[in-house]
Amino acid sequence: GDSVTQMEGPVTLSEEAFLTINCTYTATGYPSLFWYVQYPGEGLQLLLKATKADDKGSNKGFEATYRKETTSFHLEKGSVQVSDSAVYFCAGQAGTALIFGKGTTLSVSS
Amino acid sequence: GAGVSQSPSNKVTEKGKDVELRCDPISGHTALYWYRQRLGQGLEFLIYFQGNSAPDKSGLPSDRFSAERTGESVSTLTIQRTQQEDSAVYLCASSRGLAATYEQYFGPGTRLTVT
Repeated sequence: GDSVTQMEGPVTLSEEAFLTINCTYTATGYPSLFWYVQYPGEGLQLLLKATKADDKGSNKGFEATYRKETTSFHLEKGSVQVSDSAVYFCAGQAGTALIFGKGTTLSVSS
Repeated sequence: GAGVSQSPSNKVTEKGKDVELRCDPISGHTALYWYRQRLGQGLEFLIYFQGNSAPDKSGLPSDRFSAERTGESVSTLTIQRTQQEDSAVYLCASSRGLAATYEQYFGPGTRLTVT
């Protein structure tokens, strides 16, 4: 069946460091891909998405490009802030429901 | 406007008891999903509803789990004879439609602890 694999955390960075969180998917087709974020004490919210190959999703300085050849959707940010500390989930949707990775906890210190 | 709401926010129950979790979707959203997040795991799909169509129950882990939704409004997830492995955060989401292009909006979740 379809699955999403993301790098395990926790990831600890200093402010202004570069961030990459890897995500790969396995699916029979080409699902839409998403990154969701869960800030401390808050609900899950959509960060960015891409619906087809070579699409780039971006939001709040974060970017991810849908790479069909490597079946990847890695999340990147050039300069993280303390306020980016959260749990990040990669997800794919080929049918009706989202299939999530296990989440990566990011902690950014000043 | 109001987002997705869930109640209760926390529920502690004894093994063997039944529990009922509630989800109020965003008004006008025809699709509603239930997910479960166990500690250290990603979210697992449980069930979805789309309008008046038959729900997709393919993610329900056992026949102790059931869910109902009346029209395009409130949904309840019922777990009968709870077990300790049912302890998790149960998340509800709604969207304007089922296609992958429609964003799913998540509620804050209900944390269920079975003792």
